Amino acid sequence: EAGVAQSPRYKIIEKRQSVAFWCNPISGHATLYWYQQILGQGPKLLIQFQNNGVVDDSQLPKDRFSAERLKGVDSTLKIQPAKLEDSAVYLCASSLTGGLRTEAFFGQGTRLTVV
Amino acid sequence: DQQVKQNSPSLSVQEGRISILNCDYTNSMFDYFLWYKKYPAEGPTFLISISSIKDKNEDGRFTVFLNKSAKHLSLHIVPSQPGDSAVYFCAVIQGAQKLVFGQGTRLTINP
Repeated sequence: EAGVAQSPRYKIIEKRQSVAFWCNPISGHATLYWYQQILGQGPKLLIQFQNNGVVDDSQLPKDRFSAERLKGVDSTLKIQPAKLEDSAVYLCASSLTGGLRTEAFFGQGTRLTVV
Repeated sequence: DQQVKQNSPSLSVQEGRISILNCDYTNSMFDYFLWYKKYPAEGPTFLISISSIKDKNEDGRFTVFLNKSAKHLSLHIVPSQPGDSAVYFCAVIQGAQKLVFGQGTRLTINP
């Protein structure tokens, strides 16, 4: 079974530039998450989708971050404009849903460096 | 406001001994708890979970204990092996499958 795919693996941009990350979840997984992990901290949930609807985006900085999930499958996360403090690893994860308590599976992440 | 707390940033254990990682949570309504393991440059991988209807779950060398009255869970690794060196995250599922993580504990197993 293929895992969660993310690209790119690494990205370096200057502040005020824009950047986009892509995620392809495990086939059949209705729930998709985007997390931000700053060095030395735990992953922080940015946004959670169920199919193509947003379940939780309470911690997404909506003035600069946006995300969409096309047709309930792939997802993109965009930052525009980037700030220095956005330097982090961006993790995508997916899980089954339907009222089950089940684990989420993570991709390898995208390491973003803003200079 | 940290709902899931791992108060030990790091832990060092001798190979073959027991490793005990701890986690505290704030909300007594949480009903499903997980441990993830993370190696450098990789995403977290699921290790073991426990439902609030249990107080113990075991999988090989890994056992998770849940103390609901104290709002505390722990992960025991016996015996510890060098490959167990990683960062361990405690997590809870709340509401509609929302997954919330602690800050992590870096475990180092010394030969």
